[in-house]
Order: sequence, then structure tokens, then C-alpha cells
Amino acid sequence: EIVMTQSPATLSVSPGERATLSCRASQSVSGNLAWYQQKPGQAPRLLIYGASTRATGIPARFSGSGSGTDFTLTISSLQSEDSAVYYCQQYNNWPPLTFGGGTKVEIK
Amino acid sequence: QVQLVESGGGVVQPGRSLRLSCAASGFTFNSYGMHWVRQAPGKGLEWVALIWYDGSHKYHADSVRGRFSVSRDNSHNTLYLQMHGLRVEDTAVYYCARDRCDGTCYWHDYWGQGTLVTVSS
Repeated sequence: EIVMTQSPATLSVSPGERATLSCRASQSVSGNLAWYQQKPGQAPRLLIYGASTRATGIPARFSGSGSGTDFTLTISSLQSEDSAVYYCQQYNNWPPLTFGGGTKVEIK
Repeated sequence: QVQLVESGGGVVQPGRSLRLSCAASGFTFNSYGMHWVRQAPGKGLEWVALIWYDGSHKYHADSVRGRFSVSRDNSHNTLYLQMHGLRVEDTAVYYCARDRCDGTCYWHDYWGQGTLVTVSS
């Protein structure tokens, strides 16, 4: 099973600043990685798939990069509505599909 | 618009059974694979099961294999999760989620709002 590790656990960023979230896989997942956003009391929402392709309707301030074992989700200019928990998920080696433990983004 | 609505959750004693349903609308249900993903209270996401668009292939996480079974009824646009031998550690919100493809993309582009299953004596 591929283990996904996200860091930091919590990130506090001022509005308008850049947020950088990290996701590391225990072995290569190539570019088969997705990112999801989950706000309190809501279902997750797909942000990125294929490591860097934004899903339909996702603002351009969200971008994904990386391949192999190291991936990054960047929010270029943080908005108040971006306060949420962000999860990465690998779909290269499965079953099982595996998620990271999440990074909570707080607005400073 | 795509809608996924889960139902069937509730409080159940350990060892008992429960069946969850997910009613789909707003898309051609029989063209997409479907997943179940769960989230224990205050915890992260855990993939539970996948079924291909036509039901021909099914996959389950080790933690539920042999106890849970995913199925679908394409004539009624409904996804199911039959759960037997429930354990306290199965307590979670259960989400149904659409596979971006027929069951071979493995990421989830739409999610339901979830149904809470609580296993407690």
C-alpha cells in the first residue's frame, strides 16, 4: 500500500499571501495524483487531477505540480473562502486508493 | 446538474448489518464508475470500494473485504453498499463519489453529502 504523507498539518497564511502544501508518496505514483478541498461540514471537492490539471470551475489561483514522489499544491493568493482541509490522493498503485492525512489551511 | 444523495445511515449495534444507498441524477449513471469513501469523525478520508460502470468489476479495501459489498442498479440509477458484521471502527460518514471515467480514472469528480453510520452498543 502506498502511504501518502502531507505537510504541514496546519498552515496559517494571511489573505493575499501564497500557501504551499506538500504531499509525499512512499513510492513513485508517477503523475497519478489528485487534490481535494474539504470545508467543515461539507463533502470533499476535486481541485486537481493528473498532478497539475485543474478540475472544472476551479479558480486559477490553485495550481498543482510534481511527479514521482513529491507533489505541491499552491494557492497563489489566499482568499478567505480557501480556509479548508486539503487532501492528496494517489491512484497509481491500487487497490487501495490512498489519501494523505490532510493539511488544514487557516486564514491568519 | 450532477447530484448524489446518500441514505441508509444510522445507529447500529456491533455485528449487525446495514445497507447504504446513493441515488444519482443529472448524468448518465451507467457510463461512470462509482466509489464509496468514508471519513471517521475528525479523521481523514479512506477509500472503501469501487464498482465499474457496468458492475463487471468490483474492488474493496482490505479493511472491509468480506464484510462489505458494493453493487449498483443501473436501471434505477442507484449505488449500494451492503455492510455486514459492522464494527465500532466502521463508524464514519460514508460518501458516494463518481469516478471521472467508467471506473478506470480512479479520482472522484463529484461527491454526495454523505450519510453517517454509527456503530455502538
